[in-house]
Amino acid sequence: AQKVTQAQTEISVVEKEDVTLDCVYETRDTTYYLFWYKQPPSGELVFLIRRNSFDEQNEISGRYSWNFQKSTSSFNFTITASQVVDSAVYFCALSEDDYKLSFGAGTTVTVRA
Amino acid sequence: GAVVSQHPSRVICKSGTSVKIECRSLDFQATTMFWYRQFPKKSLMLMATSNEGSKATYEQGVEKDKFLINHASLTLSTLTVTSAHPEDSSFYICSAAGAYNEQFFGPGTRLTVL
Repeated sequence: AQKVTQAQTEISVVEKEDVTLDCVYETRDTTYYLFWYKQPPSGELVFLIRRNSFDEQNEISGRYSWNFQKSTSSFNFTITASQVVDSAVYFCALSEDDYKLSFGAGTTVTVRA
Repeated sequence: GAVVSQHPSRVICKSGTSVKIECRSLDFQATTMFWYRQFPKKSLMLMATSNEGSKATYEQGVEKDKFLINHASLTLSTLTVTSAHPEDSSFYICSAAGAYNEQFFGPGTRLTVL
């Protein structure tokens, strides 16, 4: 069964628009970690955030913000005032007891100038 | 800190040959490393968990005789694709587990088998 679902395959926006990427996860563990990674065309994964299951506080880092809601098993990611450099594939991932990472299918974000 | 390197970054080989990919944690020791495979426009799929000094644990459907993993030291894990075929062409990414079990990813190796 898919543990992490990213329903949006591709999103295309014009520069300066906001973009929200959805992530829904499934786990029976009470302790788990959620991640977001960015994969630009070069292929190297860039770590964006790690959040543990006990910390539901939303987080903002520059133009990036994350909304974690355990009630809906969601960990959504918003890019505010998008820029062309934000164009990449974004992956949401879940880590449970065994610390293995289960990745979602990824969402390709294209920001047009 | 927490830098992971992979070598080579790109390799092209003939069908039937074996290819070795190295994954190194440059500034920390990693008892556990992971190997992933990524097809074009697809997600990362975990292939195996590599543990220093013991046998790797393979995910279901991954042929352990095809993808040999060796984790001989706390800073090096190798993945050898044996008797490679065109269907083995893919992007292989490794990661190394840090002190809090977070994963630090290498830059990936693009394998093309002709």
